[in-house]
Amino acid sequence: QKEVEQDPGPLSVPEGAIVSLNCTYSNSAFQYFMWYRQYSRKGPELLMYTYSSGNKEDGRFTAQVDKSSKYISLFIRDSQPSDSATYLCAMSAGGGADGLTFGKGTHLIIQP
Amino acid sequence: DTGVSQDPRHKITKRGQNVTFRCDPISEHNRLYWYRQTLGQGPEFLTYFQNEAQLEKSRLLSDRFSAERPKGSFSTLEIQRTEQGDSAMYLCSVYNEQFFGPGTRLTVL
Repeated sequence: QKEVEQDPGPLSVPEGAIVSLNCTYSNSAFQYFMWYRQYSRKGPELLMYTYSSGNKEDGRFTAQVDKSSKYISLFIRDSQPSDSATYLCAMSAGGGADGLTFGKGTHLIIQP
Repeated sequence: DTGVSQDPRHKITKRGQNVTFRCDPISEHNRLYWYRQTLGQGPEFLTYFQNEAQLEKSRLLSDRFSAERPKGSFSTLEIQRTEQGDSAMYLCSVYNEQFFGPGTRLTVL
């Protein structure tokens, strides 16, 4: 079992829909949780950064962390065709030296 | 613009050749990371620098890989005697891994 599990998709939704992306993890030491967006042949771009449990909202994006269930989610409201990309969850225990552990990424397609 | 440039953007080489990639943060960052990403997978941590000191290396970093950060600014990643399994995107990140460069795509023939 990998430390971070993420459904690779593809996930296809119509424009304007609410998108729900999620990851599960097994390492209870993880405290820092990120979501990145990656367009084809580009580097990952940080969307959301959350410490410990709870919700965080930024514009159309909401990140949720449930440490008791080892489950994190990213919601995208009013989805746009430009949101079509691969979304990567990433997490770390902190300290910086061990780097981030990423999921495989979910390929999201927003249909116009 | 993430403030991190990588060069070259794409490298094609023959098996057995040596290659070197460079990562240049625009501004000073204490922490610099290298990751490798293969098709359909998320990035995998390779190594971490705190200033010029290489403090952590993943088991993925075989003896054929070496990384340096001589003045605590730019960093290089060298792969010796490349193998086809080294084909991947090599990513550099700074500032507690919040900013990634565009990556160097390596193709080993």
